[in-house]
Amino acid sequence: QVQLVQSGAEVKKPGASVKVSCKASGYTFTGYYMHWVRQAPGQGLEWMGRINPNSGGTNYAQKFQGRVTMTRDTSISTAYMELSRLRSDDTAVYYCARENSSGYYGMDVWGQGTTVTVSS
Amino acid sequence: QSVLTQPPSASGTPGQRVTISCSGSSSNIGSNYVYWYQQLPGTAPKLLIYRNNQRPSGVPDRFSGSKSGTSASLAISGLRSEDEADYYCAAWDDSLSGSPYVFGTGTKVTVL
Repeated sequence: QVQLVQSGAEVKKPGASVKVSCKASGYTFTGYYMHWVRQAPGQGLEWMGRINPNSGGTNYAQKFQGRVTMTRDTSISTAYMELSRLRSDDTAVYYCARENSSGYYGMDVWGQGTTVTVSS
Repeated sequence: QSVLTQPPSASGTPGQRVTISCSGSSSNIGSNYVYWYQQLPGTAPKLLIYRNNQRPSGVPDRFSGSKSGTSASLAISGLRSEDEADYYCAAWDDSLSGSPYVFGTGTKVTVL
């Protein structure tokens, strides 16, 4: 079945970096964009960016420009999101979600989420 | 700070119809498709509506979406206890600043 499985919870100190993985299965990895969305405790959803696994091209939210890097490894159908210079307000659940790259079908499959805690 | 505004809460009794609004601008809702997501407590979001009013397979037809100008709405008819969740609208945004993709502020639906 189609699924996205994310890496486990992380605890990081302020100033460090975190890299979250998202392994896809059950579909053609290169045929779908991979979005990254985060949710701080008790807050709403916040879009961080997306990657086109076919080309490697990325689009990032301006808020995260310079701190976020999205990459992929097509050989193992895995997308990655790395966030650097972590601050306490980066504490959140981070989700990956796919969207059909043929256009505008919405994020129809989501990962289970990865909790990232930033604390000294 | 989200550029799509939703009411923080909505409620209804079982069987009722509940409508959630999503207000945006010409650079997002006014010129792009609207999506709706449902998030049950402690779970990942789920796609409910895409391209303004299309339902993915498996989504009950009790859920319907519409769009007019720079606003959109999600309607839940025949409200059920399992519909108690947070609902978010979303859209691409063509403005050169901020985020190319934006979520609404979210609406918590309570079934009384």
